[in-house]
Amino acid sequence: DSGVTQTPKHLITATGQRVTLRCSPRSGDLSVYWYQQSLDQGLQFLIQYYNGEERAKGNILERFSAQQFPDLHSELNLSSLELGDSALYFCASSPRLGSNYGYTFGSGTRLTVV
Amino acid sequence: AQKITQTQPGMFVQEKEAVTLDCTYDTSDPSYGLFWYKQPSSGEMIFLIYQGSYDQQNATEGRYSLNFQKARKSANLVISASQLGDSAMYFCAMRETNTGNQFYFGTGTSLTVIP
Repeated sequence: DSGVTQTPKHLITATGQRVTLRCSPRSGDLSVYWYQQSLDQGLQFLIQYYNGEERAKGNILERFSAQQFPDLHSELNLSSLELGDSALYFCASSPRLGSNYGYTFGSGTRLTVV
Repeated sequence: AQKITQTQPGMFVQEKEAVTLDCTYDTSDPSYGLFWYKQPSSGEMIFLIYQGSYDQQNATEGRYSLNFQKARKSANLVISASQLGDSAMYFCAMRETNTGNQFYFGTGTSLTVIP
């Protein structure tokens, strides 16, 4: 167990729907990152939060949004889902901004859009 | 240009032998970190080893070592005494300290250990 908890582990939903993925960072970690891993795009950085504030944005679609709550857990919201959104979504956390140590991934949420 | 390049889509190694997985990177940031992650078929990303750009010695973690050649911008992973459980996808990644907080990942190398 890495200490980073992602729920649900698997999610199957229909096109056009909206889903929320949840991530609880490792205890004490302030920074949360979201990544999407798809077969054709590989691992793509989506967005980063630090202590509740957005710090960096990557290739995140406008249909996607995220937030980090006061208790430091984070949610990734995916709306108007398309078949191409099917992927493994990872959350990772680190103790502080810019840390190269203690960067830990959760086990991922596998999203299937049908 | 790709930040991280892994040129070996698939590799095979005999059990108990050593194997080298290649990784080259591209950055103009003098301060950066290089990482290797293992992703077994179950999907989770497992941290293996880290090398900082200013580290003088190559990083080692048990059977894993990182062959860091800064001038060549390469950070190859060496797995010694391969085990069947080493069969997985391996990703090289880089984080630039001064130009952003995200990680850049390579496309991965699929390693199969043959009994």
